[in-house]
Amino acid sequence: KQEVTQIPAALSVPEGENLVLNCSFTDSAIYNLQWFRQDPGKGLTSLLLIQSSQREQTSGRLNASLDKSSGRSTLYIAASQPGDSATYLCAVEGPGTYKYIFGTGTRLKVLA
Amino acid sequence: EAQVTQNPRYLITVTGKKLTVTCSQNMNHEYMSWYRQDPGLGLRQIYYSMNVEVTDKGDVPEGYKVSRKEKRNFPLILESPSPNQTSLYFCASTTGGRDEQYFGPGTRLTVT
Repeated sequence: KQEVTQIPAALSVPEGENLVLNCSFTDSAIYNLQWFRQDPGKGLTSLLLIQSSQREQTSGRLNASLDKSSGRSTLYIAASQPGDSATYLCAVEGPGTYKYIFGTGTRLKVLA
Repeated sequence: EAQVTQNPRYLITVTGKKLTVTCSQNMNHEYMSWYRQDPGLGLRQIYYSMNVEVTDKGDVPEGYKVSRKEKRNFPLILESPSPNQTSLYFCASTTGGRDEQYFGPGTRLTVT
């Protein structure tokens, strides 16, 4: 059964630092991996989607990589800002289409 | 504006009183899904639908029902709610398998 793990569970960094969030999954038979941001009491905002055939995706200060064979993805945030403070979730689709498994998230706090 | 809407946003009810949480999307997406989010457990998939009249169980379907009579709507039904169904519920949609998911704002349900 697919399991998704995010380490660390919480992270606190000073403003301006570059940081990496980790996501690992146990079954490499995935179709894609998606990173989300969740603000307290709010819904999920999609950040990046990486298809299984891709190695990375970039959007602004965010870069997500995927190594399917090792079951790992990283989300790189450059020049962090207090507005980046949120919980970051990763989710994989598969094995099986429409089967989504989420990690429990990394709670990020960027200090001004 | 492309969006997924849920109603109600907050609901407090008593054990055994049937309730329905509505979900609607205006993006003509084929796929819709329901999740619940609990502290320490992350988001878990309850049910999903690949198209009108086509639904399937996710990881935690017990105690829930769904129906998909129209493409835009995917209501979640709790026929006899119990306190262990107290949770934050999210509806999501996507164009199809292997594509980006869009989430609604969430429904916070409390069953006493």
